[in-house]
Amino acid sequence: EVQLVESGGGLVQPGESLRLSCAASGITLSSSWMYWVRQAPGKGLVWVSRINGDESIIKYADSVKGRFTISRDNAKNTLYLQMDSLRAEDTAVYYCARDEFNGGWFAFDFWGQGTLVTVSS
Amino acid sequence: DIQMTQSPSSLSASVGDRVTITCRASQSIDSFLNWYQHKPGKAPNLLIYGASRLQSGVPSRFSGSGSGTDYTLTISSLQPEDFATYYCQQSYSAPRTFGQGTKVEI
Repeated sequence: EVQLVESGGGLVQPGESLRLSCAASGITLSSSWMYWVRQAPGKGLVWVSRINGDESIIKYADSVKGRFTISRDNAKNTLYLQMDSLRAEDTAVYYCARDEFNGGWFAFDFWGQGTLVTVSS
Repeated sequence: DIQMTQSPSSLSASVGDRVTITCRASQSIDSFLNWYQHKPGKAPNLLIYGASRLQSGVPSRFSGSGSGTDYTLTISSLQPEDFATYYCQQSYSAPRTFGQGTKVEI
């Protein structure tokens, strides 16, 4: 059974940092494109960052560029999102998801259950 | 980035109704269009990929169609467990972008 389990969310003040983790089982992250996607309260799903299997391609949404860093630990089969200089507008549920190529098509076939990040003074 | 626009943003329906949600891309995406169901507190769930291909385990009352820039998700007979928010997503190019969502409620 495939599982993606996020952790590390919480309540922080503006300007502080958090590191989110996404622990995988049943799949090998080092051979997968992975995304972090967030959903702010009352809003829709928005991509935040992506990383390919060998970490040669890493991209960020403009809203988090320069503040967030995506990485992975292949030995632990875990994806991370280091979030620095947090702002109130970063408040959201953060999901990790796998972008899988299957039969000629790409789709996010597995998602974590999400971890809530609240940035407030 | 490719912009995705869904309509309507919300709809009210009853059990047994036929429900249709539309999604328009800002450019042709050659059927690289996915649909997800999202319930509060749960992980989003892939329903349809490649515009019309049913993900394994998804009930056959869900179907997708479309081409070019315009796509449709249809629920043929709405069931109680289908009340949720539905998102389209293009997988034609990176980054994968989502529509703003359609909330299906009673």
